[in-house]
Amino acid sequence: SQELEQSPQSLIVQEGKNLTINCTSSKTLYGLYWYKQKYGEGLIFLMMLQKGGEEKSHEKITAKLDEKKQQSSLHITASQPSHAGIYLCGADNGNEKLTFGTGTRLTIIP
Amino acid sequence: NAGVTQTPKFRILKIGQSMTLQCTQDMNHNYMYWYRQDPGMGLKLIYYSVGAGITDKGEVPNGYNVSRSTTEDFPLRLELAAPSQTSVYFCAGRRRDYYGYTFGSGTRLTVV
Repeated sequence: SQELEQSPQSLIVQEGKNLTINCTSSKTLYGLYWYKQKYGEGLIFLMMLQKGGEEKSHEKITAKLDEKKQQSSLHITASQPSHAGIYLCGADNGNEKLTFGTGTRLTIIP
Repeated sequence: NAGVTQTPKFRILKIGQSMTLQCTQDMNHNYMYWYRQDPGMGLKLIYYSVGAGITDKGEVPNGYNVSRSTTEDFPLRLELAAPSQTSVYFCAGRRRDYYGYTFGSGTRLTVV
């Protein structure tokens, strides 16, 4: 079965600083999803990457999928308190199921 | 447009009790899923369905059952609740012709 490993597990960043979260898969990724979860709430879809080398941006969040399609990174520029939460990567390996990583808990301090 | 709706939002069960977590969608989702999220962890797939009358096990199916008699509804049944089933449960759906998964707001279940 496909395994997704996220790093770091937890991240504390000063407001205004940049940060990166990584997601590494044990198998080739057919689709890589990034979700954000506010504490105690549901999942908010951020973006989805399919092609090797693909990069997408939404506001101050950029996600990339490497050429070999086994690793993705999520980069936040000039972090804000609204970016705080749990970031989850999910993988679709072509069998109609979405498998999730363990998540990265992001805390933004003033 | 309600999306994916889960009920109840919160529930406390005693050990050995049974309950059904409801999930309904009005987005023409072909595929539906049940996940559980333990504190500080990612989501683990319990069961999924690719259409009415078709269900299959995910990573952690033990202690749960599902049915999909209609395309709109995908209830999750706990027969004999155990403390290990204390978790937040999320229902999700996806259309066959679109990559996006839509999640419900979750059901927080505590078994005491």
